[in-house]
Amino acid sequence: AQTVTQSQPEMSVQEAETVTLSCTYDTSENNYYLFWYKQPPSRQMILVIRQEAYKQQNATENRFSVNFQKAAKSFSLKISDSQLGDTAMYFCAFMRFTGNQFYFGTGTSLTVIP
Amino acid sequence: NAGVTQTPKFQVLKTGQSMTLQCAQDMNHEYMSWYRQDPGMGLRLIHYSVGAGITDQGEVPNGYNVSRSTTEDFPLRLLSAAPSQTSVYFCASSYRGLNTGELFFGEGSRLTVL
Repeated sequence: AQTVTQSQPEMSVQEAETVTLSCTYDTSENNYYLFWYKQPPSRQMILVIRQEAYKQQNATENRFSVNFQKAAKSFSLKISDSQLGDTAMYFCAFMRFTGNQFYFGTGTSLTVIP
Repeated sequence: NAGVTQTPKFQVLKTGQSMTLQCAQDMNHEYMSWYRQDPGMGLRLIHYSVGAGITDQGEVPNGYNVSRSTTEDFPLRLLSAAPSQTSVYFCASSYRGLNTGELFFGEGSRLTVL
């Protein structure tokens, strides 16, 4: 079975600063997807960014970028120029290319301080 | 475009009662799934389906039943509710083609079992 570990239950960052959320995973697969999902207080799950394991280039979406280290099985999320609207729970998730299940970490609660 | 629609959004049950959480998607996604979210435990997969007539168990299936008679609908049934089933439930769907994998979530259903 795949496991996803988020070792930071809570984090905070000053508005406009940069913060990095950590995620590690365990798998024997070579091809897979990794995701970061955001869950604001509204409870809606929102996709932040996605990375395909066969792509060496790190994914970027505006202020959000990842540091994907395949050999180390690490997938961290960097949020630049943090905004108050970034306050949310963030979940790291893993899915095999040929699988039918997503595996989620336990989440990191991020608070952006004005 | 409605996406993934879950009903009801809130429900209070007494121990032993039964109920069905409804989930419908209008994106013609083959894959549908149910998760429960509990504090400190992230999202855990209950059941999933890769197409009409096909269902399978996830990580925590006990106490829950599902069926998939159409591509659009994937109801989750609690036959005899227990306090341990107090949780927030999410339905999610995904297209199973190449270069996809993103899960689209409903808004969640908060269930309290007294």
